[in-house]
Amino acid sequence: NAGVTQTPKFQVLKTGQSMTLQCAQDMNHEYMSWYRQDPGMGLRLIHYSVGAGITDQGEVPNGYNVSRSTTEDFPLRLLSAAPSQTSVYFCASRVTPNTGELFFGEGSRLTVL
Amino acid sequence: ILNVEQSPQSLHVQEGDSTNFTCSFPSSNFYALHWYRWETAKSPEALFVMTLNGDEKKKGRISATLNTKEGYSYLYIKGSQPEDSATYLCASTPWGGYNKLIFGAGTRLAVHP
Repeated sequence: NAGVTQTPKFQVLKTGQSMTLQCAQDMNHEYMSWYRQDPGMGLRLIHYSVGAGITDQGEVPNGYNVSRSTTEDFPLRLLSAAPSQTSVYFCASRVTPNTGELFFGEGSRLTVL
Repeated sequence: ILNVEQSPQSLHVQEGDSTNFTCSFPSSNFYALHWYRWETAKSPEALFVMTLNGDEKKKGRISATLNTKEGYSYLYIKGSQPEDSATYLCASTPWGGYNKLIFGAGTRLAVHP
């Protein structure tokens, strides 16, 4: 059972570089989301999607882009990395947009120098 | 933005002790409350999702209660074991913001043999 798969697990970037964090789920979940985890803070929602072709902003969307061309995939793009984007990123999905538990990927640790 | 508070931040108990944590959320704007268990180097995993005032849920030695009128939820662990050591996260979904889970910073539990 693959569940929610995130790649890469670790990445080091220089300021100004761009990159994409990949997220894929094989559970046919409608809802997918990206969170970031910073020390002493709760998981903060970056962007989410309630289905293919539909995305919306969360609490901290600035500096990130998302798209949802298929039900399975929800990539997170950093357009021009900044040190403030150093964090651990989690992708999470659930069956329906409005209810039910989240299923999390294993996380991606990003360091921006 | 909904503010979800968890207390205490961290807790150290001896094996066999029972313990409980608190999650507070604005009672005026509530739809659902989630509890997740997050072990080091793993992904958060759902424990409970609760929506109704007075809800009580149980999974083995772990149980949770919900008071939506006063805006709090308790998580109880009976007879703590070393394998219960983890960070326990709660998250609230506001009424009308069904697609968003707002997480607290978590309670870190360490159970000593």
